[in-house]
Amino acid sequence: GAVVSQHPSRVICKSGTSVKIECRSLDFQATTMFWYRQFPKQSLMLMATSNEGSKATYEQGVEKDKFLINHASLTLSTLTVTSAHPEDSSFYICSAIPGTSYEQYFGPGTRLTVT
Amino acid sequence: DQQVKQNSPSLSVQEGRISILNCDYTNSMFDYFLWYKKYPAEGPTFLISISSIKDKNEDGRFTVFLNKSAKHLSLHIVPSQPGDSAVYFCAASERVGNQFYFGTGTSLTVIP
Repeated sequence: GAVVSQHPSRVICKSGTSVKIECRSLDFQATTMFWYRQFPKQSLMLMATSNEGSKATYEQGVEKDKFLINHASLTLSTLTVTSAHPEDSSFYICSAIPGTSYEQYFGPGTRLTVT
Repeated sequence: DQQVKQNSPSLSVQEGRISILNCDYTNSMFDYFLWYKKYPAEGPTFLISISSIKDKNEDGRFTVFLNKSAKHLSLHIVPSQPGDSAVYFCAASERVGNQFYFGTGTSLTVIP
């Protein structure tokens, strides 16, 4: 099946710093990628939809200036958490859709801990 | 507003028995549904899907049933195995390339 990778898998940073998370589709081109966040014992919550070559579409309540998304190519989207705070600590997961497929392929996730 | 709901946060089943996980949705425009399986600290893994033109889809031990009039779908796992223990999410989408809405998940424990 299609493979989506995320890097890093785990990151610890200090409060006030910025962290970049990469999401790559390894064997297909993805015009659309999604970024999700999961809080403990809760569902995946969509943060934003990332379209190659255009600005990301953010869900209500998600600060676009804090969570910067760049979909620079058909195989790479990045999420940058700026000026991170402890409440940003969470599990971030990206997904990608190949072409006209319905199926969404998920990355393995990135565990962010802000101290 | 939760458009996809999984009202049972957890389920325990004996090995060899059937596991039934339920999912309800509110948006009648949803036409494609997925079930994902997730282990802790890992990304979700696609399990099985069904489109609105069908009412049943089977893949090995996994069967998904869709009742459009009731806006309800269920995942049946038979026979259940200890390795099936994980959190199961259902998800729904309106059309190709559109976002998926996820339920809150059901944690399945299969007891050996």
